[in-house]
Order: sequence, then C-alpha cells, then structure tokens
Amino acid sequence: GAVVSQHPSRVICKSGTSVKIECRSLDFQATTMFWYRQFPKQSLMLMATSNEGSKATYEQGVEKDKFLINHASLTLSTLTVTSAHPEDSSFYICSASRLRGPPTDTQYFGPGTRLTVL
Amino acid sequence: GDSVTQMEGPVTLSEEAFLTINCTYTATGYPSLFWYVQYPGEGLQLLLKATKADDKGSNKGFEATYRKETTSFHLEKGSVQVSDSAVYFCALRLQGGTSYGKLTFGQGTILTVHP
Repeated sequence: GAVVSQHPSRVICKSGTSVKIECRSLDFQATTMFWYRQFPKQSLMLMATSNEGSKATYEQGVEKDKFLINHASLTLSTLTVTSAHPEDSSFYICSASRLRGPPTDTQYFGPGTRLTVL
Repeated sequence: GDSVTQMEGPVTLSEEAFLTINCTYTATGYPSLFWYVQYPGEGLQLLLKATKADDKGSNKGFEATYRKETTSFHLEKGSVQVSDSAVYFCALRLQGGTSYGKLTFGQGTILTVHP
C-alpha cells in the first residue's frame, strides 16, 4: 500500500530556532500534500495544501511566513517552522494524495512529528 | 462553517462488546463522510467512507450509514476486539469547490478494548 513517512518523529528545539519537518511519499507520486496540526485531545486542523511545483495554499489564520511549505518534488514536501516559540509546540501531520485533479478518497497520512519548543 | 462533532471519549469496552461512536456534522453542501483510524505509533488510515445520503460504508466489521436527515455518520461494530484499540476520527470533505481535498476532522475518540 501507499506509505507516507515523516522525519523527524520527534524534535526538541530552543525558542527562536527554525525546525524543518519532511514528509515523503515512499512508493507513489504525491501531487498534493496536506499539512495538519493537532493539539492534545483536539482535532486535526488543516494548515495548508501544497501542490507540486506551486505555492502552498494556507488556511485562514495560518501565518505563511511562520510555516514555510515547500513541495519541490512529487515525493517530498517540507514544513519549516521559523523562529519557533513554545506556542508552536504541537503534533504536525502530513498527508498525501496520489492523483492529480479531483481528489480520490485516498489521502495517505504520515505518522506525525512531535515538536517541542523550549 | 463546516464542522464535525464526535462523542467524547475515551471509550473503554470489553472484548466482544458492541461499539457505537457518534458523529454529527454541519456542512454547507453535500459532503462525503469518512471514518479514519489511528493505531498507536501509526498514521491515520481510512477505515470506511460514504459519499451520499443513505450510503453505508463498511470495513473490518465496522459500519456507518450516511444519515442526511440527522446529519450523522455513527460508527458501529457488533463485536470489538483488543486489536481495535485506537483513535477514531470522523471527517467530512465537501464535493468540489476551492477546498479541493480538504478534510474537516472531528476531535477523535480514543477506544480501548480490554480482554
């Protein structure tokens, strides 16, 4: 089946530093990738949608300059949390959709990355 | 806006018990509805789906019926197993529009099944 990996699985950083999280589709080409954020005991909140080779579309309230998304290839998307602060601590999850055009119901999810900002 | 509300958890059951996890939704259009499951240490996996009213999604003994009149998509299983212990998410996706592929999730329900 389709597998999506995320790296790292956990990261701890100091306030003010930047952190990059990678999302890879291991055995398929992902034309669309989604980035979610999940707070404890809360739902997944979509942050942005990225299509290969184009700029990401951010959800309302998500700071584009804070959360930089790059989808430079069909198998890799990165989320960079710039100048991280403790309030950015969260669980970040990516998903990938394999087909261009109307999305199928098959959005494949990565296992998530736990970010802790001290 | 669009939203999904799931029953509060955690839910703790004995093996072979009957499971219901309630899910209701609010949407401006005619959404597709999904249940995702997240096993410990793994990513979310699609469990079942329904794309129109009165459709029943089913997989691995789980079922859910798209009820437009009650805007609900409750998850049921007749006899749970320890291996069903996981977090379950109800979600919706609007058909078409600018929110292509966007999923709106409920808050998740933790299910623990004891032997």
